[in-house]
Parts: sequence; C-alpha cells; structure tokens
Amino acid sequence: QKEVEQNSGPLSVPEGAIASLNCTYSDRGSQSFFWYRQYSGKSPELIMSIYSNGDKEDGRFTAQLNKASQYVSLLIRDSQPSDSATYLCASHFNDYKLSFGAGTTVTVRA
Amino acid sequence: ETGVTQSPTHLIKTRGQQVTLRCSSQSGHNTVSWYQQALGQGPQFIFQYYREEENGRGNFPPRFSGLQFPNYSSELNVNALELDDSALYLCASSLSGGGVRSIQYFGAGTRLSVL
Repeated sequence: QKEVEQNSGPLSVPEGAIASLNCTYSDRGSQSFFWYRQYSGKSPELIMSIYSNGDKEDGRFTAQLNKASQYVSLLIRDSQPSDSATYLCASHFNDYKLSFGAGTTVTVRA
Repeated sequence: ETGVTQSPTHLIKTRGQQVTLRCSSQSGHNTVSWYQQALGQGPQFIFQYYREEENGRGNFPPRFSGLQFPNYSSELNVNALELDDSALYLCASSLSGGGVRSIQYFGAGTRLSVL
C-alpha cells in the first residue's frame, strides 16, 4: 500500500474555476502535511503546510485536513493559466522522511 | 528561489560508472535530505544528513551513499550506475534534523541520465 495517494489526473479546469485536489495517507501517526507545486522540469515549491484539522487559507489556496478520515485536500480558487503544474501532496511520517504522492497534473484552460 | 543550490544541472553517465552530486543548503539550515524523482512519479526519499551523520534512510541500496560537511553542504554518491538510476535528484534543506513540522526547501535538482 502506498503511503500517500493522490487522485488520478490530469485535471483540466477553465480559467477562473476552482480546482480541487485530493490526497489520502495511510499512517494515522502522520502529523504534518504539505502541498508542493512543481512546474515541468523544475523542482517542487512549497505552497501550503497544514498541521491541524480544519481549513487553512493562503490567498487563492485553501488546504483542508481531516485526520479522522486521513484525508488532505487543496482547493485553488480563481484558477489562472500560471497554476498549470503538477501538485504534490506530502506528509511527515516520522522525524526525517517526507513521503510524496505521485502528483496530480492540473491544466488551466484560458 | 530557495537558496538551495545543486550541481551539476545535468549529467550523462554510462552503466557501471560512479557519480557524485553536490548540494549547498540554505543559509542557516543544518539538515539536508536527498530524493530521487523518476519521470511521472513523486520524489522518493533516499536519506537525510544532520550534523554530518545519516539521520534516516529510505529503501535504496548501499551503492547510494552520502556525506555532509561541517558547512552543512552535502554530496550524494552513486556507484555502479544502473539504467533505472536515470532520474531527477533533488536536495532539500531544512532546520534541526527534520522535525515533523520542519519545512524542506528544494534545490533545482540534477538530471542524471544513465546510458
């Protein structure tokens, strides 16, 4: 069983719409969760971190965490063509390792 | 930019050769983690160095080894290269041994091709 799984893509949304990305994790002991954005051929860039149940908003991005359901999501509001990228969900299982999902590729259509 | 620098940017090697990749951590960061990212996959954890000691290791064979220096920079060495080692190698720096809330900042990566 994979430690972190993301909903399969690719995801195509029109400009201005909401993009919804989902992620589940297998270890109930996970304490920290991160969303990274990765443009093609580039390195991952942190866009959100979340540690407690509930919502966390930062600009057009909202992360949601539900530890009981072992579920993390990312909403991108008012999607822009510049949001077209692969989004990686990651969690901390212990003190040193980040475990990543395979990523969901988002394309925002102008 | 994260302040994490990696070299070289691209590398082409042949099967059986050895390679060394280098990483300079962000100023003030004392922990370096290395990841391998195959095409179309998420990064896979190789190992982490904290205070010049290996602090944890993923499911990679011993031919993957590393070092951390007193200035917190790090090297990843891969011996006896195999075709499947072709990937993007990412270095990430963080603070204080990678506690569960520490944030890892990634360098631009080294693209390794093994022919």
